[in-house]
Amino acid sequence: EVQLVQSGAEVKKPGESLKISCEGSGYTFTSYWVAWVRQMPGRGLEWMGIIYPSDSDTRYSPSFQGQVTISVDKSMGAVYLQWSSLKASDTAIYYCARAGYDCNAVACETHFDRWGQGTLVTVSS
Amino acid sequence: EIVLTQSPATLSLSPGERATLSCGASHSVRSSYLAWYQQRPGLAPRLLIYDISRRATGIPDRFSGSGSGTDFTLTISRLEPEDFAVYYCQQYGSSLTFGGGTKVEIK
Repeated sequence: EVQLVQSGAEVKKPGESLKISCEGSGYTFTSYWVAWVRQMPGRGLEWMGIIYPSDSDTRYSPSFQGQVTISVDKSMGAVYLQWSSLKASDTAIYYCARAGYDCNAVACETHFDRWGQGTLVTVSS
Repeated sequence: EIVLTQSPATLSLSPGERATLSCGASHSVRSSYLAWYQQRPGLAPRLLIYDISRRATGIPDRFSGSGSGTDFTLTISRLEPEDFAVYYCQQYGSSLTFGGGTKVEIK
C-alpha cells in the first residue's frame, strides 16, 4: 500500500527553525516527485514546491521561493520541508503529496494521487 | 497564474440528491489538466478526478468530471453520507493552482 507518513505536530516560537518530514513507502520512492502543500487555518490549498528524490531536482512556487527549503534523504526514503526563521503567519497544516505525473525540464504539470496525513505547525510567542 | 473560482461556496443538499460543483478558470486550462479533490473534516485531501474526467483508483462511479477550456464541473450523482465534505479543483496546465473550495453540507 502506498503511504506517505508525516512527522508530528510542532509548536514553535517566532524566529525558531524547523524541519518536518514525509516518509514514503509501498512504492519506488525515487521514481515519483513529491510536493509540499500548505493549508492555513480555515483556508484552501497552496502548492509550495516539489522535489524529485532521485536527483534532488527541486522547483518552488514563486510565492514560497526563498521562504522555505525542500530537501530529500534517499537512504531514509524521506522528503523534508524546512524553515530557518518561522513567523506567526507560517501557522498552518502542511501536507506532502505524491505527484501523479512527472515534471519536465520546464514545468511541473501534475495532480497529486497520494497525500500524507498532514503536519500542524503552530508558531506563537 | 491561472486563478480558479469555485461556485457555489456552499451547497446544501440532502443524502440521495445530485450535487453539481463548478470550477471556473481565468484562462483556458491546457491539455485537460484539471483535477478534483475531496477533503473531509480533519483529514488530508483525496484525489477524486484527474485529467478532467478520469476517476482515481478506488473512486466510486457516482463521481464524474466534465468540462473544457475555462469551465469545469464535478457531479456527484447521488450523495452518500460520507460525501459531505469540501471539494477543491486544481489546474496543472500552467504551474499549479487550486480553487478556493466548495463545501457540500447536509441540508
